[in-house]
Amino acid sequence: GENVEQHPSTLSVQEGDSAVIKCTYSDSASNYFPWYKQELGKRPQLIIDIRSNVGEKKDQRIAVTLNKTAKHFSLHITETQPEDSAVYFCAASILSGGYNKLIFGAGTRLAVHP
Amino acid sequence: GAGVSQSPSNKVTEKGKDVELRCDPISGHTALYWYRQSLGQGLEFLIYFQGNSAPDKSGLPSDRFSAERTGGSVSTLTIQRTQQEDSAVYLCASSPRTTEVIQYFGAGTRLSVL
Repeated sequence: GENVEQHPSTLSVQEGDSAVIKCTYSDSASNYFPWYKQELGKRPQLIIDIRSNVGEKKDQRIAVTLNKTAKHFSLHITETQPEDSAVYFCAASILSGGYNKLIFGAGTRLAVHP
Repeated sequence: GAGVSQSPSNKVTEKGKDVELRCDPISGHTALYWYRQSLGQGLEFLIYFQGNSAPDKSGLPSDRFSAERTGGSVSTLTIQRTQQEDSAVYLCASSPRTTEVIQYFGAGTRLSVL
């Protein structure tokens, strides 16, 4: 079946450093790729997304890049802060039974140390 | 409402009992999704609703799990004869329409089966 692989599963950085999380997907028809941030005990919240007609999108300290040929996309966080500590999930859309469905990666636990 | 609302936020039950989890989506959202998130794991798709119908039940792990949605709004996920392996956070998400893949999540129900 369709799947999304996410790496690394855990990531530890010093405050101010950059963090990069990578995902690969299997369905070449996927055209929407969101990233969710989930703080401990909280709901997943959409932080950035990208559609297949662009290769990169940036929003302040976060950016996402997409390589459709290689079927992978990445989340980049610059100048990390302790409040960036959370679990990050990538996802890719697939068309299933006439509707769009999201397949999620297993998540990356990011720890930013002061 | 302002966001997706789930209740209860926490549920502790004994093995063998039935439980009902409730999701109230964002007003006007026609698409509704249920996911299961085991401790430290990713989001496992359970079921999708478009209006009151469930065209995709492929993720329900067994016939002990069922869900319904009435009036195109509130949805209830029922787990019968709960088992310890059912312990997880159950998340609900909604989208404005099936062609829109952006999903907005509730805070989840943490189910503990003793």
